[in-house]
Amino acid sequence: RKEVEQDPGPFNVPEGATVAFNCTYSNSASQSFFWYRQDCRKEPKLLMSVYSSGNEDGRFTAQLNRASQYISLLIRDSKLSDSATYLCVVNAGSGGYNKLIFGAGTRLAVHP
Amino acid sequence: EPEVTQTPSHQVTQMGQEVILRCVPISNHLYFYWYRQILGQKVEFLVSFYNNEISEKSEIFDDQFSVERPDGSNFTLKIRSTKLEDSAMYFCASSQSGEAGELFFGEGSRLTVL
Repeated sequence: RKEVEQDPGPFNVPEGATVAFNCTYSNSASQSFFWYRQDCRKEPKLLMSVYSSGNEDGRFTAQLNRASQYISLLIRDSKLSDSATYLCVVNAGSGGYNKLIFGAGTRLAVHP
Repeated sequence: EPEVTQTPSHQVTQMGQEVILRCVPISNHLYFYWYRQILGQKVEFLVSFYNNEISEKSEIFDDQFSVERPDGSNFTLKIRSTKLEDSAMYFCASSQSGEAGELFFGEGSRLTVL
């Protein structure tokens, strides 16, 4: 089983749509989780951390289900500028060091 | 806004040559990392570095790779004898804390091995 698994997409959606991405991870000992965004040929940038209670940042909502080892990201009211690859990231570090494990990403294309 | 800077942005080299990729992490950060991304593939962890020593490295980070912080500001990745399969985008990152900390990535150095 892959350490972090995501549907590669692409998801092609019109502006204003709501879109949801899912991710599963294999290491049950993982303690922290993130969604990063990567634009074409650019560096990954943190979109948001994911907390057990679920968290929201504007149009973005992240959920974590530790029992199922499942992470989700919901984007409401999609904008053209949301077009990017969304990376599910799990911190597999131990002993006080970060070690981010990236999923292969889910591509989102928002069209007018 | 403070940022991680990397040089060169693109390097083309012949197989078997040594390459040094340079990074200047954010100034008050203490943890440093190298990741790589082969074209069309996922971002992969190479190595983490703290207190002037490697804290963890992946299977990819074999004896051909080394890292150092020679002068307190630069953080370098050296590939001793490049192979075709080393062609990738190499991202440097830094973080203020070691656990659950946000990593700030540089824009990457694209390495092409011919």
